[in-house]
Amino acid sequence: EAEVAQSPRYKITEKSQAVAFWCDPISGHATLYWYRQILGQGPELLVQFQDESVVDDSQLPKDRFSAERLKGVDSTLKIQPAELGDSAMYLCASSFFGSDEQYFGPGTRLTVT
Amino acid sequence: GENVEQHPSTLSVQEGDSAVIKCTYSDSASNYFPWYKQELGKGPQLIIDIRSNVGEKKDQRIAVTLNKTAKHFSLHITETQPEDSAVYFCAASIRSSDYKLTFGKGTLLTVNP
Repeated sequence: EAEVAQSPRYKITEKSQAVAFWCDPISGHATLYWYRQILGQGPELLVQFQDESVVDDSQLPKDRFSAERLKGVDSTLKIQPAELGDSAMYLCASSFFGSDEQYFGPGTRLTVT
Repeated sequence: GENVEQHPSTLSVQEGDSAVIKCTYSDSASNYFPWYKQELGKGPQLIIDIRSNVGEKKDQRIAVTLNKTAKHFSLHITETQPEDSAVYFCAASIRSSDYKLTFGKGTLLTVNP
């Protein structure tokens, strides 16, 4: 069964350091989403890609967060510099173009110390 | 924007009993309502969904109902088993807004053997 891949699964970093997360969507899925999930809450959308283009990044803190999907396949989410409040699970999801069914990866658990 | 409320926040049942989780949404334009199951340390898994042109959908032991007039939808799990223990999230999206999902805060379901 095809799955969304994410790495690393866990990341511990000190505040003010840079950190990056990688996502490989299900093959053929043109739409890719990055979500942030704070402990005890539901996921919240950070950025949405359609192929290599950003569709929505209105909730992305652009002063420190960046996301790219250069070839329209895998994607990288970066935080620089990391802050204590960035500790959360970062989830990647993907879907076929024009489909509302989103499939999630296992996530990256970030701890900022 | 869309707001999704989910109740209860925790639910404990005995094995074999039924469990019901309820969600309400605010935007009458929402037309897709998925339910996700999230086990500890894993990403959300899509378990069932319903679209606004359908009132009820069933898949083995799980079912979802939708009341568009009242703007609420519910997840029903029958004959619960210990492996059903997890956090369940409801969500809503509007096709015209690029399928962006708004999640509820989640329900921790515990099935006691």
